[in-house]
Parts: sequence; structure tokens; C-alpha cells
Amino acid sequence: NAGVTQTPKFQVLKTGQSMTLQCAQDMNHEYMSWYRQDPGMGLRLIHYSVGAGITDQGEVPNGYNVSRSTTEDFPLRLLSAAPSQTSVYFCASSYSNKQGSEQYFGPGTRLTVT
Amino acid sequence: AQSVTQLDSQVPVFEEAPVELRCNYSSSVSVYLFWYVQYPNQGLQLLLKYLSGSTLVKGINGFEAEFNKSQTSFHLRKPSVHISDTAEYFCAVTLLIQGAQKLVFGQGTRLTINP
Repeated sequence: NAGVTQTPKFQVLKTGQSMTLQCAQDMNHEYMSWYRQDPGMGLRLIHYSVGAGITDQGEVPNGYNVSRSTTEDFPLRLLSAAPSQTSVYFCASSYSNKQGSEQYFGPGTRLTVT
Repeated sequence: AQSVTQLDSQVPVFEEAPVELRCNYSSSVSVYLFWYVQYPNQGLQLLLKYLSGSTLVKGINGFEAEFNKSQTSFHLRKPSVHISDTAEYFCAVTLLIQGAQKLVFGQGTRLTINP
């Protein structure tokens, strides 16, 4: 199994541009989520999905959209990039959304918005 | 509300010395606690977790953590560190909102091992 994969690894955008961060998992996990990591702030939840066709907002959803058309894929879209969205983005998945389920993380996408 | 506080942002130690990384949480309900490790330029990897049962939890790479309900702590320890333990360590607690599990992370502790 490849686990959780993310593309691209690095990306530079200009303010106002849009892009999609890709995330895929091959473990047949129902629960997927997106986090952003900023220095001194740990990881903060952006959006999550408890199954195909179901998504919901996390702690910091503004400026991001998600969709979950298949179990495997959970892309994160930036509609109009802003410098405040410069961060490292992690996708994660787990077998279920029950408390205690281990989340598996992808390698991350480092995004810079100029 | 549940939150997690990691008391030290950076911890430098010498190789083969013991280390303790501190984590405190606040919660009014039962909690599930995790420690994740992030090696340089990589994603997060689970070190260990506490769900129930024995309060002393053993994880990978020789790490262990003790759940202390009265002190609301879940400190991570290793008796003798190695250069390869240099990484950032995150404590996390699960939050169940509207039937969905969410992980709430602490700010992270950067562990630096000096030869």
C-alpha cells in the first residue's frame, strides 16, 4: 500500500491564483481530513470528510473548499490564494471517525503565496 | 472545550541522556491521547496512544508516556535518546463533535539531540 499520498510536494502561487492540492489514500479509509501546520501553532483542522459525498468544516475553513466524490480522493481547493495561506498542508485518513482511530498522514505540501 | 498545551517549544539534550516532553490537556469528558513524531521534511507518524486501561503506554522507538488523570497530563519519556530522535513531537487529544472525531494538536516540541 502507498498509504496517503499528496501532490505536489512544493508549490509557489501568486496572490489571487487558484489551485488544488491533491490527496489520495489506498487503505479504504472512510475518514479523511486536511490540516495546515504553522510554526508555533501545531496542526489545525481545515476540513474533514466522514465518507464519500460528506464533508464538513474544521477549525480554519475560510478560503478553502473540499469535495469527496470517491472514498480514495479528497482534494483541497484554494479559490483565491492569499499570503496568509502560506503553510505546510497535511492530508490524513483513518479507518473510522470513532475516537481513538489512528490517523495516517501524508508527506505534506509546502505552499508559498507571494 | 478540549485543548492541549505542550509546555516546552524546544528541548535540547545530549545523546544517551533521558528526556521528558510535557503535555497537559483540558477536558471535561473522557479523552483519548496521542503522541505523534514529525521527522525533518516528513509527515506525522504515530508514536503511541492512550485509549483506556494501563496508564503507562509504550510506543515505538523506545518511547513511553504516562496518562495522569488527576494532573491532566500525558508526558512523553525516553530513558536514553539517540541522534535519530531529533524531530518535532506533537501531543494530541481527540474531540468528538457531531459524531465525527477531530484531533486537536498541541503547539509541538522540537527535540534536538546533541552529540
